[in-house]
Amino acid sequence: DTEVTQTPKHLVMGMTNKKSLKCEQHMGHRAMYWYKQKAKKPPELMFVYSYEKLSINESVPSRFSPECPNSSLLNLHLHALQPEDSALYLCASSQERGDRQETQYFGPGTRLLVL
Amino acid sequence: GENVEQHPSTLSVQEGDSAVIKCTYSDSASNYFPWYKQELGKGPQLIIDIRSNVGEKKDQRIAVTLNKTAKHFSLHITETQPEDSAVYFCAASPGYSTLTFGKGTMLLVSP
Repeated sequence: DTEVTQTPKHLVMGMTNKKSLKCEQHMGHRAMYWYKQKAKKPPELMFVYSYEKLSINESVPSRFSPECPNSSLLNLHLHALQPEDSALYLCASSQERGDRQETQYFGPGTRLLVL
Repeated sequence: GENVEQHPSTLSVQEGDSAVIKCTYSDSASNYFPWYKQELGKGPQLIIDIRSNVGEKKDQRIAVTLNKTAKHFSLHITETQPEDSAVYFCAASPGYSTLTFGKGTMLLVSP
């Protein structure tokens, strides 16, 4: 089973709202990723967690706050977003092998619209 | 850091034809090259990947070739079908860093 699940599928929020995106995998992967994807563009890496610790933050604004409560779950907390943050937010997971990139498996994404 | 260029940006073929998408990378340390297919409204799905110790890999109608000297790799799809229509992304990783994606190729297979 190579399934990564994400909820919700769609989310509409105002600029003053607080919301959270959730991601779950049961493949025993110890690396988990958040990507942002705008229309007709490739996925853009936001955060990487390795063994539940934040290992990469690609200079993402603080209005995006990741959290990894355990090895199967990854959250992305959203607060005071801007309309330009509207995008497809993708979660991915992979084995963690240190200096070797393992296959990343993506979830279906959450389509976010900020009004 | 790594830079990946992908061509063409769009590709239209007739059903049954072959399709080839090419990518070049800049970091000679890159050693992992996956290809993802993304259908409208869905997340990217891995279709095939290759590591730098292998020159070619096949899986049914799909194949990937890697030329480390020239720093390019290609996706080959034979006997294309309408359900192959999607956006395809190549990517590269030097191991010490995560994936760098190409800009994508929209493949349209006409019946």
